[in-house]
Amino acid sequence: NAGVTQTPKFQVLKTGQSMTLQCAQDMNHEYMSWYRQDPGMGLRLIHYSVGAGITDQGEVPNGYNVSRSTTEDFPLRLLSAAPSQTSVYFCASSYSEGAGNTIYFGEGSWLTVV
Amino acid sequence: AQTVTQSQPEMSVQEAETVTLSCTYDTSESDYYLFWYKQPPSRQMILVIRQEAYKQQNATENRFSVNFQKAAKSFSLKISDSQLGDAAMYFCAYRSGHTDKLIFGTGTRLQVFP
Repeated sequence: NAGVTQTPKFQVLKTGQSMTLQCAQDMNHEYMSWYRQDPGMGLRLIHYSVGAGITDQGEVPNGYNVSRSTTEDFPLRLLSAAPSQTSVYFCASSYSEGAGNTIYFGEGSWLTVV
Repeated sequence: AQTVTQSQPEMSVQEAETVTLSCTYDTSESDYYLFWYKQPPSRQMILVIRQEAYKQQNATENRFSVNFQKAAKSFSLKISDSQLGDAAMYFCAYRSGHTDKLIFGTGTRLQVFP
């Protein structure tokens, strides 16, 4: 099993450009989420999904869109990148919500917006 | 809302010695989980140890143990026989019992000196 796979690992964007961070898991997990990590801070929740077709906002959702058309994939879209979105992004998944299941993290995607 | 506070931005320890990292949290819930994650320079999020709030016994994983004081809302991590490979950022995290959303502290950078 590959676990949680994020692509790309590194990306440089110009202000105003759009891009999609991909996240895929092969563990048949229902719950998937995106976090961002800024210097001097812990991870903060951007968006999450409790199953295919269901998404909701986390703590810092502005500037990001998500969709969940399949159980396996949970892409994060930046529609118009801003320097404030320079961060490390983590995708995470777990079997189901609220059952104390282990949360698995991807290896992170480093995004720089210039 | 739940919060997690790590008041030690940096800690250092001599190899083979013991170090304790502090974490306090605030919640009105009775069903929750607490975690310590290790983040080495690679930025990978590695689960070190977890504690279920309903368990009175402190969790232990090899050289890592916690001191869980539920009434005081304190959750410290003790690393015994510190090794050079323990050097990393350590994050304390809270998770409600009915959700998979993690709330992180700001982290403690641990340095290990030979």
